[in-house]
Amino acid sequence: DTGVSQDPRHKITKRGQNVTFRCDPISEHNRLYWYRQTLGQGPEFLTYFQNEAQLEKSRLLSDRFSAERPKGSFSTLEIQRTEQGDSAMYLCASSLGFGSGGYTFGSGTRLTVV
Amino acid sequence: RKEVEQDPGPFNVPEGATVAFNCTYSNSASQSFFWYRQDCRKEPKLLMSVYSSGNEDGRFTAQLNRASQYISLLIRDSKLSDSATYLCAVNLFGNEKLTFGTGTRLTIIP
Repeated sequence: DTGVSQDPRHKITKRGQNVTFRCDPISEHNRLYWYRQTLGQGPEFLTYFQNEAQLEKSRLLSDRFSAERPKGSFSTLEIQRTEQGDSAMYLCASSLGFGSGGYTFGSGTRLTVV
Repeated sequence: RKEVEQDPGPFNVPEGATVAFNCTYSNSASQSFFWYRQDCRKEPKLLMSVYSSGNEDGRFTAQLNRASQYISLLIRDSKLSDSATYLCAVNLFGNEKLTFGTGTRLTIIP
């Protein structure tokens, strides 16, 4: 396990379709985060898990978005009824907590809604 | 006012020069501070944490000024490979969420 893994790397979907992304964190990391990044902007926080518990959700995470981390290992982010405004890079990160330093990000999933 | 603000640049700097960026944060309860580097269409990668006493890693120096609520990154003897977007990130005491600035784009010119 050399880092945070995200799948797929790219996703093109038609407006109105549902999409699901997967993130596999660094195995010993108990914290997992989802961020969204659009062109020219920094990553924006979406949600955060400690083990299997979802501890914080951003107001950006509308009811069309849901995230899970069922066994405290990998996580999924689902977007229902996609809209063109959902087009972005979806980044997953993991950490042991801030005492150990910052996050390690995955390569991201680039979503294009057409 | 945004929680974390950066000058977006671009900064176009000749190779070998010294360049510095600042990043201001609005919440005085901010506890941890980081600089990330992001190459085009890639994920952010942690460059360095920023400690109260300041810290240095090779050609890179990070400083924290709590009184004025900003952090800085200094790059000495810049290399072509330093061309990237530099993101600052801040978190509040007791909160795991990192808040990022929009990033400062740096291009090193041969």
